[in-house]
Amino acid sequence: QSALTQPASVSGSPGQSITISCTGVRSDAGDYKYVSWYQHNPGKAPKLIIYDVSHRPSGVSPRFSGSKSGNTASLTISGLQAEDEADYYCGSATTSSTHVVFGGGTKLTVL
Amino acid sequence: EVQLVESGGGLVQPGGSLRLSCVASGFTLGDFPMHWVRQAPGKGLEWVSGINWNSVNIHYAESVKGRFTISRDNAKNTLYLQVNSLRPEDTAHYYCARKVGRAFDFRGQGTMVNVSS
Repeated sequence: QSALTQPASVSGSPGQSITISCTGVRSDAGDYKYVSWYQHNPGKAPKLIIYDVSHRPSGVSPRFSGSKSGNTASLTISGLQAEDEADYYCGSATTSSTHVVFGGGTKLTVL
Repeated sequence: EVQLVESGGGLVQPGGSLRLSCVASGFTLGDFPMHWVRQAPGKGLEWVSGINWNSVNIHYAESVKGRFTISRDNAKNTLYLQVNSLRPEDTAHYYCARKVGRAFDFRGQGTMVNVSS
């Protein structure tokens, strides 16, 4: 499985915007180019916050947005809040589940 | 409310076995492919295994192939993971998730497997 690479950590102050990158995403045709993002506080269930690159599930704050350019996907959190402090993972999974991989995770610290 | 409740974890010696369970409520398990994902202490999320709705298509990570077996009982709304020949590196929180399109929907707090002598 090809690897997805994320920065180990990012930080920002309340009210600021931050972006977390995820490199190694395939850009060819088919399912492989789709990325999802998860927010995780250890010991709790990871929470899906972005699917198919840029779509938000119902109930997820519009402060979370996703995009992709070439082989790099990005998660942007605007108007940072203390409650956003968590680990964030990108993931790529085909519909058939023949290809499933997660990035190494990024720890977000809200200063 | 959609819920997934994992159980069956515990402390086990290297070479031992456990059967993890994931009980679904608030939705029909048989309508979704289901997966297991784990997180070792201090590490990131690692996909372990997946099974489609009728158990015809099953996939495993290379690290667990031949040792772990995923199965499901849709009538009981339950997903299973039989973990055999456990190694210290299998120590992790194990989460089950339903697959929604190309993403995972996690709803449980996981069950901890600790492999140690």
